[in-house]
Amino acid sequence: GDSVTQMEGPVTLSEEAFLTINCTYTATGYPSLFWYVQYPGEGLQLLLKATKADDKGSNKGFEATYRKETTSFHLEKGSVQVSDSAVYFCALSLGAQKLVFGQGTRLTINP
Amino acid sequence: SQTIHQWPATLVQPVGSPLSLECTVEGTSNPNLYWYRQAAGRGLQLLFYSVGIGQISSEVPQNLSASRPQDRQFILSSKKLLLSDSGFYLCAWGEGGMNYGYTFGSGTRLTVV
Repeated sequence: GDSVTQMEGPVTLSEEAFLTINCTYTATGYPSLFWYVQYPGEGLQLLLKATKADDKGSNKGFEATYRKETTSFHLEKGSVQVSDSAVYFCALSLGAQKLVFGQGTRLTINP
Repeated sequence: SQTIHQWPATLVQPVGSPLSLECTVEGTSNPNLYWYRQAAGRGLQLLFYSVGIGQISSEVPQNLSASRPQDRQFILSSKKLLLSDSGFYLCAWGEGGMNYGYTFGSGTRLTVV
């Protein structure tokens, strides 16, 4: 079945470090891909998305490129801040009804 | 603009007691609605989704149920809570197309004691 695999967490970085959170997917068709962020005690917020191969989604300094050849959608940020500490979820959508989420990656940024 | 309301924000319930969590959406019609559960330190588990009034699809067999009595109202219920029902419950709505993703509510933290 369709699935999303994220890199194991937790991830701990120092402020201004470069961030990569890996995400790979398995799907029978050509999905849309998403990154969601969950701040402590809150619901999920859509961070960015890409709907076709080679699209780059970007928001708040975060970027992710839809790579069909490697079935990946890795999240990157050049210089992280303490306020970026959160749980990040990768997800895919193939049909009208459901998103499939990865297991989430907890990110902690130390000052 | 569309908004989604979920309540209560926190809830502590004894084992064996009933549960009712409510979710309402404003600013859209005929949304797809979803209930997810997030256990402590874990990912998201889809519990139920609904594409219309009275239409409920269950993803995981359990002692929970869902209902959609109105177009923009989605209710999660249980007749008798178990300890394992503790978690963070999230309601979400989607426009139904694969390119749009979901908008999530702020969640309800349920602790069963």
